[in-house]
Formats: sequence, structure tokens, C-alpha cells
Amino acid sequence: ETGVTQTPRHLVMGMTNKKSLKCEQHLGHNAMYWYKQSAKKPLELMFVYNFKEQTENNSVPSRFSPECPNSSHLFLHLHTLQPEDSALYLCASSQDRGGNEQYFGPGTRLTVT
Amino acid sequence: QKEVEQNSGPLSVPEGAIASLNCTYSDRGSQSFFWYRQYSGKSPELIMFIYSNGDKEDGRFTAQLNKASQYVSLLIRDSQPSDSATYLCAVPFSSNTGKLIFGQGTTLQVKP
Repeated sequence: ETGVTQTPRHLVMGMTNKKSLKCEQHLGHNAMYWYKQSAKKPLELMFVYNFKEQTENNSVPSRFSPECPNSSHLFLHLHTLQPEDSALYLCASSQDRGGNEQYFGPGTRLTVT
Repeated sequence: QKEVEQNSGPLSVPEGAIASLNCTYSDRGSQSFFWYRQYSGKSPELIMFIYSNGDKEDGRFTAQLNKASQYVSLLIRDSQPSDSATYLCAVPFSSNTGKLIFGQGTTLQVKP
């Protein structure tokens, strides 16, 4: 256990559904991240939040909408996804943006049908 | 375009041998380097980080950094079958952004 939890662990959704992924960190960190990991591809950073403020959006399509209500919680709202969005979605946290020692949650395995 | 390169493998070593995993990076200004281990179906786990030239040892793991040649290595001594995993190298895109660039990972297989 790294102190970063994610729910749900598995999610199957249709292209017209709306769902949300949740991440919570118990490490007292101030920066949180969403990553996407697809088969045969390197980890891709999606969003960075630092002290609840979004500081990076790595050209992510608008069908992915992040929300960070406080430094401990991070959400990823999903709507009208495409089958190619099927992947492992990982949340991570670090002390701050500069620390860079990022600790990952267990991930949500998303399948879009 | 800043890049991190790893040989995807698989790298196969016998139990008890030294496994050597290599990573090269394109940004000469990079200051910190991270190694993550990822078991199949699991999330990445931070196992080593190194900021200074030279070696850093932690148990059976040694990270070696050569900034002049722009490579960082991970040595695993006395390899065990439980070390079989994919090892990811990560380098910050720039300081103070939190953006890490990951290599594709090297798959290590330790044969009993």
C-alpha cells in the first residue's frame, strides 16, 4: 500500500455513459496527477494539480474532465468516451510539483464498449 | 522533444545473477532520475531515485548515473524470480512542473 487509493478498480462503460474515477491520498502530499497507461505505450501524463490548482493539461480531450476539491482528493469525470480510451488510469501524488518522487495508486482498469 | 529510451527486452537472467537495466535520456539538463518497478497487472512502485553522478545503493539495488553520457542504470544483485517485472525509468520534463517522462520499460525475467 502506497497511501494512494483509487476506486473503482475496474470499470466497464458504454460510449454514452458518464462515470467518475476517484483518487484519495493519505500521505499529506500537495500535488496529484492522472496518468494513462495503454498497452505497448509509455505512461502518459494527463493532468497535474498542485495545491488544488490545475497546472498541467497534457492536451487531453475534453471528454476527460478532472476535478480536485482539495489536496487529498482527485476525480476524473468521463463522458462519451471512445473504445481507444480503454486503458489503465493511474493516480499519483507527490509532496509538491518539485519533489517529483511520485507514488502511484493501484489504478482503475477502464474498458469502453 | 524530450525522450527517455529503454530497451523493451525481455532481459532474461538466471537466479542469483546481476541484472543490468539501462536508460538513456535526451535532456542534458535533467537533474533527477527515478526507477519504478511494475508487476504485471499492478501499478508502478518507486524503488530508487538518484540525483547525483555516481552510484546509489539500496539493498540489492544500485542506481548508477552518468550525466556526461546521459544514461542511468539499475543493477539488481542476486536476482530473484520475484524481481521479474517491468522496470520503468522516469526523468522530469523540467524542474518544478511535476511532469515525468517515462521510458517504455524493460521487462526482466529471472529464471529459477
